[in-house]
Amino acid sequence: GNSVTQMEGPVTLSEEAFLTINCTYTATGYPSLFWYVQYPGEGLQLLLKATKADDKGSNKGFEATYRKETTSFHLEKGSVQVSDSAVYFCALSESPEYGNKLVFGAGTILRVKS
Amino acid sequence: GAGVSQSPRYKVAKRGQDVALRCDPISGHVSLFWYQQALGQGPEFLTYFQNEAQLDKSGLPSDRFFAERPEGSVSTLKIQRTQQEDSAVYLCASSPIPQGYEQYFGPGTRLTVT
Repeated sequence: GNSVTQMEGPVTLSEEAFLTINCTYTATGYPSLFWYVQYPGEGLQLLLKATKADDKGSNKGFEATYRKETTSFHLEKGSVQVSDSAVYFCALSESPEYGNKLVFGAGTILRVKS
Repeated sequence: GAGVSQSPRYKVAKRGQDVALRCDPISGHVSLFWYQQALGQGPEFLTYFQNEAQLDKSGLPSDRFFAERPEGSVSTLKIQRTQQEDSAVYLCASSPIPQGYEQYFGPGTRLTVT
């Protein structure tokens, strides 16, 4: 079945450092790809998405590019802030026949120190 | 506007008790999803509704789990004869379109079975 694998955390960075969180997927067909973020005490929020190969999703300084050849969707940010500390989930959506249910990775904890 | 709300936010149940978890989706949202998130893991799909029709219940772990959405808005996830392995956060998400392409998550209900 479809699956998502993302790098284990926690990832600890200093403020203004460069961030990469790796995500790879296994899927039949052509899924859409997402990054969700969960801030402490809050619900999951959509951070960015990409619907087809070579699409780049971006939001709040975060970017991820849908790479079909490497089945990857790595999350990057050029300069992290303390407020970026959260848990980040990579996800794919399965066939619309099944309501586009999401398949999530295990999540990566990001801690940013000032 | 109001987001997805869930109640209760926290529930402690003794093993063998029945519980009911409520989800109020964003008004007018057609699609509704339930996910289960174990500690330190990503959410896992349980079931999907399009309006009042339950179109996919492939993720429900056993026949002790039951979900309904009788009028196409509020949904209830019921767990009968709770077991310790049912301890998790139960997330509800809604989407404005039938295939649920972008999902908006509620804060979750944390269920602890003792």
